[in-house]
Amino acid sequence: DTEVTQTPKHLVMGMTNKKSLKCEQHMGHRAMYWYKQKAKKPPELMFVYSYEKLSINESVPSRFSPECPNSSLLNLHLHALQPEDSALYLCASSQETGFSGANVLTFGAGSRLTVL
Amino acid sequence: AQKVTQAQTEISVVEKEDVTLDCVYETRDTTYYLFWYKQPPSGELVFLIRRNSFDEQNEISGRYSWNFQKSTSSFNFTITASQVVDSAVYFCALPDTGRRALTFGSGTRLQVQP
Repeated sequence: DTEVTQTPKHLVMGMTNKKSLKCEQHMGHRAMYWYKQKAKKPPELMFVYSYEKLSINESVPSRFSPECPNSSLLNLHLHALQPEDSALYLCASSQETGFSGANVLTFGAGSRLTVL
Repeated sequence: AQKVTQAQTEISVVEKEDVTLDCVYETRDTTYYLFWYKQPPSGELVFLIRRNSFDEQNEISGRYSWNFQKSTSSFNFTITASQVVDSAVYFCALPDTGRRALTFGSGTRLQVQP
């Protein structure tokens, strides 16, 4: 069983909808990540939270709004998305929070988003 | 900038064959880490190995082995006696240290036929 849980597994939304993706981990990890993965492409980093504070935003459009309410939870709020935002959204966490490049990421199974 | 190249887009083998997945990387860092992740059809990326650039010893874990050659900037992954459960997309990755992000290669899709 994956130790990073993402809900929902599948989400279909219209361009005017507001929805949220949720991610939860109970490994005591202090860094959490959102990645976006288009079909047949590698994951691309969107956001990084370290100790519940946003530390990296990869110039993601404001229609994606991350939130880290506590050390175990990470949300991604979605509003006014475009069809090209359809993708697999992966959450990950890591024990290490530093910039050594040694961080081992534990990924969830992802939320597959379709924007109509 | 970091770059990871996985030239093999897709490989198909028959069960019990050995298969090697290639990974070539570029970095200006003098010390760095390299990773392999597996992404089965279920979607989650599964961590396989992390290798420090100081350690050039090959590593073996069951049917999996990794050949790290700093001189050629390669970190290849071999599966011995492949099984159907090995079917997945395999990503080689190199951290962008300044941003703490993983730069993934484009991935190699491995299909193991029974």
